[in-house]
Amino acid sequence: NAGVMQNPRHLVRRRGQEARLRCSPMKGHSHVYWYRQLPEEGLKFMVYLQKENIIDESGMPKERFSAEFPKEGPSILRIQQVVRGDSAAYFCASSDTSGTYNEQFFGPGTRLTVL
Amino acid sequence: GIQVEQSPPDLILQEGANSTLRCNFSDSVNNLQWFHQNPWGQLINLFYIPSGTKQNGRLSATTVATERYSLLYISSSQTTDSGVYFCAVPQGDWDMRFGAGTRLTVKP
Repeated sequence: NAGVMQNPRHLVRRRGQEARLRCSPMKGHSHVYWYRQLPEEGLKFMVYLQKENIIDESGMPKERFSAEFPKEGPSILRIQQVVRGDSAAYFCASSDTSGTYNEQFFGPGTRLTVL
Repeated sequence: GIQVEQSPPDLILQEGANSTLRCNFSDSVNNLQWFHQNPWGQLINLFYIPSGTKQNGRLSATTVATERYSLLYISSSQTTDSGVYFCAVPQGDWDMRFGAGTRLTVKP
């Protein structure tokens, strides 16, 4: 049973470009979470999605960031007009249920570097 | 929101030694997870342990929910145990709040 898949693993962008990060949840999981890890820090929640719905985006910056989880295909975290401060590791997690009891399984992360 | 504190922040061990990592949290929780972030940055699920004790090989974890702490034990440490260990608890209905981590270095 494959785990959470993320690609690309490493992404380099110049300031002003767009970054698209993809996440395929574990088989059978319909709940996806995105987290960001700045250098030398713990992970911080960004957004929670179910298929075709954004449930909670309270941790996501209001501008330039968007997320989707279409009916078919992976979840996408999109960062427009990237700036150096966006350089971080972005992790996706998935679970088979929602709620505080759920166990979240994490992907390997995408390391974004903005030049 | 809930606060999560991990100690110690840094730990250096000789291969073969045992260690205990601690995670304190400020409010009652019904979920707690331990993760290992290896030197390549990958985040690996270690334990889902809202209460009680679990063991997996050389690692074990205990959560005492009523006293708001969890412990991760590493026995006979190996160099491959190096990395950062995070605990995480629910912050809201679905998002997890992570501690700042314990950075473990195991020397050969």
